[in-house]
This record gives sequence, structure tokens and C-alpha cells, in this order.
Amino acid sequence: EKVLTQSPATLSVSPGGRATLSCRASQSVSDNLAWYQQKPGQPPRLLIYGASTRAIGVPARFSGSGSGTEFTLTISSLQSEDFAIYYCQQYSNWPQTFGQGTKVEIK
Amino acid sequence: EVQLVQSGAEVKKPGESLKVSCKGSGYIFSNYWIAWVRQMPGKGLEWMGNIYPGDSFTKYSLSFEGQVTISVDKSISTAYLQWSSLKASDTAMYYCARSESGALDYWGQGTLVTVSP
Repeated sequence: EKVLTQSPATLSVSPGGRATLSCRASQSVSDNLAWYQQKPGQPPRLLIYGASTRAIGVPARFSGSGSGTEFTLTISSLQSEDFAIYYCQQYSNWPQTFGQGTKVEIK
Repeated sequence: EVQLVQSGAEVKKPGESLKVSCKGSGYIFSNYWIAWVRQMPGKGLEWMGNIYPGDSFTKYSLSFEGQVTISVDKSISTAYLQWSSLKASDTAMYYCARSESGALDYWGQGTLVTVSP
């Protein structure tokens, strides 16, 4: 099983600031990595797939990069609606796995 | 518009059985995998398994294999997650999601399952 480790667990950022979230895989997942945003009481929302492709309707301030074992989600200018928990997921093989999440909170 | 609509919240006792549903619409249901994801209270996301409605091929996470059954009725565009004997530790929110080449692009609203004596 490929383990995904996200860091940091919590990230405190001021509105308008930049957030950089990390996801590290225990083995290569190539570019078979997605990022999701989850707000309280809501299902997750797909943000990024294929490591760097934004899903439909996702603002350009969200960007993904990386391949192999190291991945980054960057939110360039945090808006109030971006404070949430973010998860990475690998789908390179079975079993698919999620990271434990990074909470982005208001500083 | 792609939609996945899940059945409503359930309150059950330990040992009882349960089947929750996930109905897809707005796309060709048979052509996309459906995933089930568990989220225990205050915790992260756990992949449980996937089913391909076209042929009912199913893959389970080792953590859930033998604990739940994933099935599908493609004639009514509905996937199911089933327990034969619930435990208190099954208390969680359960999500279905459509899998587009592995990434989960559309999600149901979630079904809260509470198991309590």
C-alpha cells in the first residue's frame, strides 16, 4: 500500500496570503495524484487531478505540481472560502489511498 | 448535470444489517467506477472500495474486505454499500463518488450511519 504523508497538519495563513501544502508518497505514484478540499458539513470537492490539472470550475489561484513521490498544492492568494481541510489521494494502483489532511486556518 | 444522490441518515443497533444507496444521474452510469469513502467523526477520508457498474467488478481495500459488500444495479443507476452485522465502530459518514480515471470528480452528499445500543 502506498502511504501518503501530508504536511503540515495545520497551516495558519492570513487572508490574501500564500499557502503551500505538501504531499509525499512512500513510493512513486507517477502523476496519479489528486487534491480535494473539504469544508465542514460538506463532501470533498475535487480541485486537482493528474497532479497539476485543475478540475472544472476551480479558480486559477489553486495550482498543483510534482510527480513521483513529491507533490505540492499552492493557493496563491487565500480567500475566506479557502479555509478548509485539504486531502491528497493517489490512484496509481489499488488500494487507492488518501493523505491524512492539512487544515488551512485563518491566521 | 452529474448528480449522485445518497439515501438518508440511519440509526441502527449493533448486530443489525444495513444497505445504503447511491443513485447516479446526468451521465452514463455504466461507464464510470463508483467509489465508497468512509469518514469517521472528526477524522480523514478512507477509501473503502470501487465497483464498475458495467460488469460489477469490485475492488476492496484490505481494511474493508469481508466487512462490507459493495454492489450495483445498473438498470436503476444505483450503487450500494451493505453491512450484515453493524458494529459501533461503523459509525461514520459514508460517501459515494464517481471515479474519472481514479480521481473522484463528483460526490454524493453523504450518508451518516450511527450505530448505538
